[in-house]
Amino acid sequence: KQEVTQIPAALSVPEGENLVLNCSFTDSAIYNLQWFRQDPGKGLTSLLLIQSSQREQTSGRLNASLDKSSGRSTLYIAASQPGDSATYLCAVTRIKAAGNKLTFGGGTRVLVKP
Amino acid sequence: DGGITQSPKYLFRKEGQNVTLSCEQNLNHDAMYWYRQDPGQGLRLIYYSQIVNDFQKGDIAEGYSVSREKKESFPLTVTSAQKNPTAFYLCASAGQGAFFGANVLTFGAGSRLTVL
Repeated sequence: KQEVTQIPAALSVPEGENLVLNCSFTDSAIYNLQWFRQDPGKGLTSLLLIQSSQREQTSGRLNASLDKSSGRSTLYIAASQPGDSATYLCAVTRIKAAGNKLTFGGGTRVLVKP
Repeated sequence: DGGITQSPKYLFRKEGQNVTLSCEQNLNHDAMYWYRQDPGQGLRLIYYSQIVNDFQKGDIAEGYSVSREKKESFPLTVTSAQKNPTAFYLCASAGQGAFFGANVLTFGAGSRLTVL
């Protein structure tokens, strides 16, 4: 059974510092991995999707890497801003998983202090 | 604007009552999903539907029921059989190619259910 872990559960950094968020998964047979952002009491917004054949994806200040063999993904957020404060979740889709079912990690709650 | 609308945003229920959470999308997406989120935890899949009039159990379907009579709508009923229903419920949808994980999910804003 696939398990997804995100450590640490919470992170606090001063504004301007780079953020490094970690995601690990136990079964390397994944189809893709996604990073989401969730603001308090709100739904999820997709940030980046990495296919299993890719090593990284970039969007603006965000960069996500994927190492399938070690079961890890890292989300980097450059030059953090207070508006980056949110919970970040990663999720994996199993290969040939019917219905595009995702397995989520518990999330990392980020606070960027001005 | 296309999107997913969940209602109500907040719902209170007495023990023993059934409640239904609404999820409507105007994205013309085929697949729809219901997830449950507990504090400090990731999302867990309750039910999903790939096409109209068809749905499948997720990882924690016990105590829940769904219907998919229209492409746009995927309501979730939390029954009295669900022992610990207090949680944040999220509905999502995905378009063509969703079966193969090719498309990202679009999420609604969520419904928070509290059992009194």
